[in-house]
This record gives sequence, C-alpha cells and structure tokens, in this order.
Amino acid sequence: AQKVTQAQTEISVVEKEDVTLDCVYETRDTTYYLFWYKQPPSGELVFLIRRNSFDEQNEISGRYSWNFQKSTSSFNFTITASQVVDSAVYFCALSEAYTGTASKLTFGTGTRLQVTL
Amino acid sequence: GAGVSQSPSNKVTEKGKDVELRCDPISGHTALYWYRQRLGQGLEFLIYFQGNSAPDKSGLPSDRFSAERTGESVSTLTIQRTQQEDSAVYLCASSLVSLSYEQYFGPGTRLTVT
Repeated sequence: AQKVTQAQTEISVVEKEDVTLDCVYETRDTTYYLFWYKQPPSGELVFLIRRNSFDEQNEISGRYSWNFQKSTSSFNFTITASQVVDSAVYFCALSEAYTGTASKLTFGTGTRLQVTL
Repeated sequence: GAGVSQSPSNKVTEKGKDVELRCDPISGHTALYWYRQRLGQGLEFLIYFQGNSAPDKSGLPSDRFSAERTGESVSTLTIQRTQQEDSAVYLCASSLVSLSYEQYFGPGTRLTVT
C-alpha cells in the first residue's frame, strides 16, 4: 500500500526566511510519480510539480526548489525568501504509474505554512 | 481555457436526505477523479473514471455513495441518506491519460449535513 507522510503539521516563518517542507513516501512500485500541490485559503488545489521515480535531478523554479532522494524516499520542497502569498497548505502526493493508465493520488495530510511580516 | 467546474459550491442538507454533486472536467480529459477532504485533513480518494467506466471504486466509504459519468464528460457523485460524518469538501479532478498524470482540481463542493 502507498503512503505519504508529512510530519510537519504547521510551520510559521517570517517573510524572507527560507523554509523546507518535508515529504516521505512509501510504495512497493518501482515506477511512480510524486507531486506537490498548494491549497491557498481560497481552497482550490494548485499543481506545483510532478516528478517521476527515474528522475532524481533536483529542480528549481524561481523561489521554489525540490529535492528528490530515492535512497531516503523523500521529496522535500523548499521555498526561498518566503512571501506572505506563500501562506497556504501544501500537500505532497504519490501516484502509481502504469503505462497508459491514469491513477489515483495518495495524499499526505498537508503542512500549513504561515508567512508573516 | 476553462478549468474543472463543480456545482453547487455549497450544499447544506438535513441528515437522511440524498444529495447530488456535479463535476464538469476539462474538455478532452478522459480521466476523472473524486476526492473527499474533511476539515483540516488531507484528501481521500473516492473513485476514478476512465471514460465512462470506473476501474477503481475502492475509496467509496459505503454503499450510500455512488457515482456515474456520461459521455466522457460530466460526472455526478450521489450520497444517499446523508450522515453528519459525510460533511466535507468534495473535490473533483481530471487529467489527460498520458504519462504526465497531472490532475487538475475543481474548486470543490462544501457539503454540510445538519
């Protein structure tokens, strides 16, 4: 069975601080996808990134970066120079990846990030 | 382009009544998913459609829950004889069936059972 653990329930930082959100996953599949979604106070989930299990290169997108380490089954998300607009709940998710077939997402419980001035 | 839409945005119902929640996926997306999010919690998978068939119904919590999809577009999630524990936000997502597996979510329907 698949499982995603986000041990940090809530994090508070002051604007411009860097913050890392942890994600640890469990799966018996050798091929899978990992995702991060953002859920701002408005409630709508916003896709941030997708990673497949064969690509362990770290990725940077502006102030966001992701560190995928298969050896520790982790897919951590760092926000550099955080801003108030980053305040949201962030979800890590895992999907099986059978060729040609879509698959459900297994979500972690989310980390609420509060960025204050 | 248009995203995933859901209606109603809010629904308050009395315990024991039936409710129908609607999802309109992104045009051309053949896969459609329903999730439930209880207050302060993560998302729980309910059911997944590939076209009009449902290969995975493993997340439906009881036989009071059912869903259908017609014409590879609109889907309806029906909850019969609602209970207070059914109160949650019900989220719908759609995706192209490809190796991308990105799911695009709608704004959700907030269901309150009194």
